[in-house]
Amino acid sequence: NAGVTQTPKFQVLKTGQSMTLQCAQDMNHEYMSWYRQDPGMGLRLIHYSVGAGITDQGEVPNGYNVSRSTTEDFPLRLLSAAPSQTSVYFCASSYSSENTEAFFGQGTRLTVV
Amino acid sequence: EDQVTQSPEALRLQEGESSSLNCSYTVSGLRGLFWYRQDPGKGPEFLFTLYSAGEEKEKERLKATLTKKESFLHITAPKPEDSATYLCAVPFSGGYNKLIFGAGTRLAVHP
Repeated sequence: NAGVTQTPKFQVLKTGQSMTLQCAQDMNHEYMSWYRQDPGMGLRLIHYSVGAGITDQGEVPNGYNVSRSTTEDFPLRLLSAAPSQTSVYFCASSYSSENTEAFFGQGTRLTVV
Repeated sequence: EDQVTQSPEALRLQEGESSSLNCSYTVSGLRGLFWYRQDPGKGPEFLFTLYSAGEEKEKERLKATLTKKESFLHITAPKPEDSATYLCAVPFSGGYNKLIFGAGTRLAVHP
């Protein structure tokens, strides 16, 4: 039982490049979400999903896309990377949208140059 | 506007020196307040959920309390392994797991 697995752990992109951050959970959780964490700021919600086929925007969705084709996977796509997207990205899952014990992955540290 | 503020930003304690971390919040219709611990290079780890004023939860040397405007995380006789960043969060008005996080308190406990 691996929990929430994020790949890659580190990534450097050039401005304008695109990439996908992977997130997978093996706990059969319905609810998954993506956050970014910047120095001096709290984690900010980017996108979330309450189940396969259902996604919605969070607090800072611009520049990011998500999809949820299976219960296990919730990838985050950066369409055209910008230096402002340099951050640490965390994926989280929980049993339901009303279950507050969220399990977080180890994070992806992304640098856009 | 929904907001969560944590203080202090950083706290240095000697081993055994008890203290408290503060989390103040402004949100309409609180549906819970959550504490997480985050170690360097790791994702946050769930500690507690508090739902109503007056509620208290304990785990080892940690005790979380809740009032109508703030929450405290009390650390009794801390050890170096308690060193971490402690985060608190509340749900947005729109849903339980759309969380607003505070910036965290970085705790360092020295022997």
